[in-house]
Amino acid sequence: ETGVTQSPTHLIKTRGQQVTLRCSSQSGHNTVSWYQQALGQGPQFIFQYYREEENGRGNFPPRFSGLQFPNYSSELNVNALELDDSALYLCASSSITGGEETQYFGPGTRLLVL
Amino acid sequence: QKEVEQDPGPLSVPEGAIVSLNCTYSNSAFQYFMWYRQYSRKGPELLMYTYSSGNKEDGRFTAQVDKSSKYISLFIRDSQPSDSATYLCAMSWSGGSNYKLTFGKGTLLTVNP
Repeated sequence: ETGVTQSPTHLIKTRGQQVTLRCSSQSGHNTVSWYQQALGQGPQFIFQYYREEENGRGNFPPRFSGLQFPNYSSELNVNALELDDSALYLCASSSITGGEETQYFGPGTRLLVL
Repeated sequence: QKEVEQDPGPLSVPEGAIVSLNCTYSNSAFQYFMWYRQYSRKGPELLMYTYSSGNKEDGRFTAQVDKSSKYISLFIRDSQPSDSATYLCAMSWSGGSNYKLTFGKGTLLTVNP
């Protein structure tokens, strides 16, 4: 186990709704990254948070937003859900120490948009 | 052209076989290379990590990187049914392995007893 947890495990929403996904990072890790994994695809980088500030963003629209909290937890918020947002959402925690650090992935939240 | 290309398979081998998984990439800025294993309905688990050309061995697993050809491989010796999973290659640039990972599509491997 990586020590990274995510909730909920599964979620069903309808088009146009808003959703909040949660992640609890491994203790001591100051960086969290979020990825979207569509069925049959590799994970796609959404964004990264470092010390509660956004530290890079992939090719995702602004309706994808995030928060990171001092207690190592974080949130991914998606507004105005679209059918194509159906995917496995993964968070990964790591620690920026100037060296090469592994990103530890959680089990993911599977989102279905109807 | 995608930044990282990976044959999605599926690949089916008998127990004990040597498995070869490969990825090619187009962005020469990639400096860090990883292989992740993902079981069904689980998050990716890091198997191998390297940042230099050449081979790196860990038990039954060997990662190979050829930066001049922009080609990476993962070899699994004496494959076991428990190795059945999707294998994802991932890469990152000079920001280090902390930063944005770019993944291949993944190769689905089945090892038959």
